[in-house]
Amino acid sequence: DAGVIQSPRHEVTEMGQEVTLRCKPISGHNSLFWYRQTMMRGLELLIYFNNNVPIDDSGMPEDRFSAKMPNASFSTLKIQPSEPRDSAVYFCASRETGANYGYTFGSGTRLTVV
Amino acid sequence: KQEVTQIPAALSVPEGENLVLNCSFTDSAIYNLQWFRQDPGKGLTSLLLIQSSQREQTSGRLNASLDKSSGRSTLYIAASQPGDSATYLCAVNGGTGGFKTIFGAGTRLFVKA
Repeated sequence: DAGVIQSPRHEVTEMGQEVTLRCKPISGHNSLFWYRQTMMRGLELLIYFNNNVPIDDSGMPEDRFSAKMPNASFSTLKIQPSEPRDSAVYFCASRETGANYGYTFGSGTRLTVV
Repeated sequence: KQEVTQIPAALSVPEGENLVLNCSFTDSAIYNLQWFRQDPGKGLTSLLLIQSSQREQTSGRLNASLDKSSGRSTLYIAASQPGDSATYLCAVNGGTGGFKTIFGAGTRLFVKA
């Protein structure tokens, strides 16, 4: 199993541009999570999906952030327009449905907005 | 509201020492607790997952214990090595369906050769 795959690994963009982060969860994992990590705030849950349906997006900071999961093997997190304060590492994680399972994290996307 | 605290925030030890990292949480209504390792600039690697009904889990030189009633978990690392240097995070899974996961801020470990 290749694990949770995220792309790109690094993204540098100018303020105001649209940014799209991508994630492929582990096959068979029905729950997918997007996290953001910064030095100041640590790991924050942005949104999670269960069986491709968004369940809780209360962690999404603003309307500039949106996430989709069109099928069981692909999810995107989009920021439009991007701002310097969005600079962070964005992680995707997946797990099997059920409270007793643990998370598998991707390697993350380091986003820098200049 | 669940709060997760990890102590110490940073730790520096000589190679070969046995050490204990601590994680405490305020709400004992949890499904499980997961320990992760994070190397600088990398993602989170799962080390151990301990269910609420379990007392401990072991993997190689690592042993995690859970005392749900007192809201504590420890990660014991035996015979530490420089390669163990990383940040260790605990994550407490609770809420409906175990979707409410709260991460601690982590303990940054440095093992000196």
